[in-house]
Amino acid sequence: DAKTTQPTSMDCAEGRAANLPCNHSTISGNEYVYWYRQIHSQGPQYIIHGLKNNETNEMASLIITEDRKSSTLILPHATLRDTAVYYCIVMTTDSWGKLQFGAGTQVVVTP
Amino acid sequence: SAVISQKPSRDICQRGTSLTIQCQVDSQVTMMFWYRQQPGQSLTLIATANQGSEATYESGFVIDKFPISRPNLTFSTLTVSNMSPEDSSIYLCSVYRTVNTEAFFGQGTRLTVV
Repeated sequence: DAKTTQPTSMDCAEGRAANLPCNHSTISGNEYVYWYRQIHSQGPQYIIHGLKNNETNEMASLIITEDRKSSTLILPHATLRDTAVYYCIVMTTDSWGKLQFGAGTQVVVTP
Repeated sequence: SAVISQKPSRDICQRGTSLTIQCQVDSQVTMMFWYRQQPGQSLTLIATANQGSEATYESGFVIDKFPISRPNLTFSTLTVSNMSPEDSSIYLCSVYRTVNTEAFFGQGTRLTVV
């Protein structure tokens, strides 16, 4: 599976957009980009996923570069409850559901 | 989404004993997985729980230490055997739904071995 690289931590002001980058330079054609987050002491929560097109749902937007080597998760209006560890994961169609978690990005939203 | 119930939510166990963790899903799912999260670390996949056959273990995990059962499409158990303090972790159950290509997690079982 392709590996991902994320910044260790990020701070974000409440009410502002949070842009979380992820590099996945070795991603292959059948691998999707998934984003999860884990709020302290809880199970990981699905946020969004995509293959090559940009995606948007009620939680966030996912922007994938044209070469698919990197992506950005956008939380449009960060709240204090968005403080969590965010994981960018690539998942191949050959191994649906098997998530290889990296270290993730610790996002702290401050008032 | 899928509703996943894990039991127990937490436990403190003596070294040398075993603990069985249950994972119940509110609907039938083909794929179920077990993960471990050691203190301050990310999640690591232990195994895929296969219905009607032996579980498929990831590198570094063996059946004797982490036996898994999957008697039907809504239920699975993970046993942590002959526990040592190094087994103190959060153990999480996950299911994957092909209809919306999302994986869902239970809230985890926080295990402390003393």
